[in-house]
Amino acid sequence: SAVISQKPSRDICQRGTSLTIQCQVDSQVTMMFWYRQQPGQSLTLIATANQGSEATYESGFVIDKFPISRPNLTFSTLTVSNMSPEDSSIYLCSVDGGRVFYNEQFFGPGTRLTVL
Amino acid sequence: GESVGLHLPTLSVQEGDNSIINCAYSNSASDYFIWYKQESGKGPQFIIDIRSNMDKRQGQRVTVLLNKTVKHLSLQIAATQPGDSAVYFCAENPITQGGSEKLVFGKGTKLTVNP
Repeated sequence: SAVISQKPSRDICQRGTSLTIQCQVDSQVTMMFWYRQQPGQSLTLIATANQGSEATYESGFVIDKFPISRPNLTFSTLTVSNMSPEDSSIYLCSVDGGRVFYNEQFFGPGTRLTVL
Repeated sequence: GESVGLHLPTLSVQEGDNSIINCAYSNSASDYFIWYKQESGKGPQFIIDIRSNMDKRQGQRVTVLLNKTVKHLSLQIAATQPGDSAVYFCAENPITQGGSEKLVFGKGTKLTVNP
């Protein structure tokens, strides 16, 4: 399985600022995903981070609010822009399992964001 | 639209009992289902998966049952242990054009195991 790390693990931010979350994988993966998990809720897919092209966003999420980078096959960033208290959530990245663990997704530990 | 939901938001069991967590899904075109376990402060951890061409799959102490007729998925945990206490999510992989790896998650069930 893939080992995934995220930075920061948690942060407290002021309204109107932006935070960039990093996701690092210990092996090359084709697909990386970003999810949001609001307090006590399930996971909602924000976007698929595509290497070498723009991210694919799900309904309700836009690039201006959640810009994503994917410079190589082991790294991605998610920025939460112009934050408001409603953005307080856990943000998780995940990766696909590749040919060995086809269709299985491995998750990072998450970034717990609190917006004041 | 696509949705995956759970019958019970919380489940409390005694250590050693068997646990059953249920999940209903609405997309009959989904071909792949996964159960995840999420402990407090951690990301979801894969437990077991099942493809739509199967109705049962067993792992170590866990069994997943798929009933496509009523679009129902269940996770059975045998001899539940305190370490099984967590939130359990079902997720489905809807068949989409281009073969997306996208997962749609259910609401989650919080399992509490009492010693």
